[in-house]
Amino acid sequence: QKEVEQNSGPLSVPEGAIASLNCTYSDRGSQSFFWYRQYSGKSPELIMFIYSNGDKEDGRFTAQLNKASQYVSLLIRDSQPSDSATYLCAVNPSGGNQFYFGTGTSLTVIP
Amino acid sequence: EAEVAQSPRYKITEKSQAVAFWCDPISGHATLYWYRQILGQGPELLVQFQDESVVDDSQLPKDRFSAERLKGVDSTLKIQPAELGDSAMYLCASSPEAQETQYFGPGTRLLVL
Repeated sequence: QKEVEQNSGPLSVPEGAIASLNCTYSDRGSQSFFWYRQYSGKSPELIMFIYSNGDKEDGRFTAQLNKASQYVSLLIRDSQPSDSATYLCAVNPSGGNQFYFGTGTSLTVIP
Repeated sequence: EAEVAQSPRYKITEKSQAVAFWCDPISGHATLYWYRQILGQGPELLVQFQDESVVDDSQLPKDRFSAERLKGVDSTLKIQPAELGDSAMYLCASSPEAQETQYFGPGTRLLVL
């Protein structure tokens, strides 16, 4: 079982809709969770991080963490064509220095 | 805004040749990471430095790959000899300390012919 799993997609949503991206992880003791956006041919850029159970909002983005169920999600409200990219989930497992990345979910926002 | 610098941005080489990549982390960041990202996959850690010391190189193919961060600032990743399967994006990231948010450089796209 991989440390971090994401549905590779592709996920398509119309412009203005809510895009929901999900990520599950295997290490129950994981402490910190990150969402990165990666445009084709570019490097990952941080969107947001979350450490505590519940929701964390930043503009149009909301990260949701449920440690009991071992999943973290990213909601993008009012999706824009410029949000079209691959979204990577990264997890820092308990007691470790390494980050584990999922394979990413490809999102396309249709104008 | 401080950024992670990498060079070259693109590299084309023939198999069996040697290649080297350079990374300059954000000033003051003690932790530096080298990742390899194959198309369609997530980044996979090759090596992690804390200052000048290697913290984790368990996934580094040490028969052909080497990495150093002699003065605890910039770093070099070398491949010798390169193989066709090494074609990928090589990403450098840094963080103030381990387990903190990582910031990525623009990456070096390597093509081995």
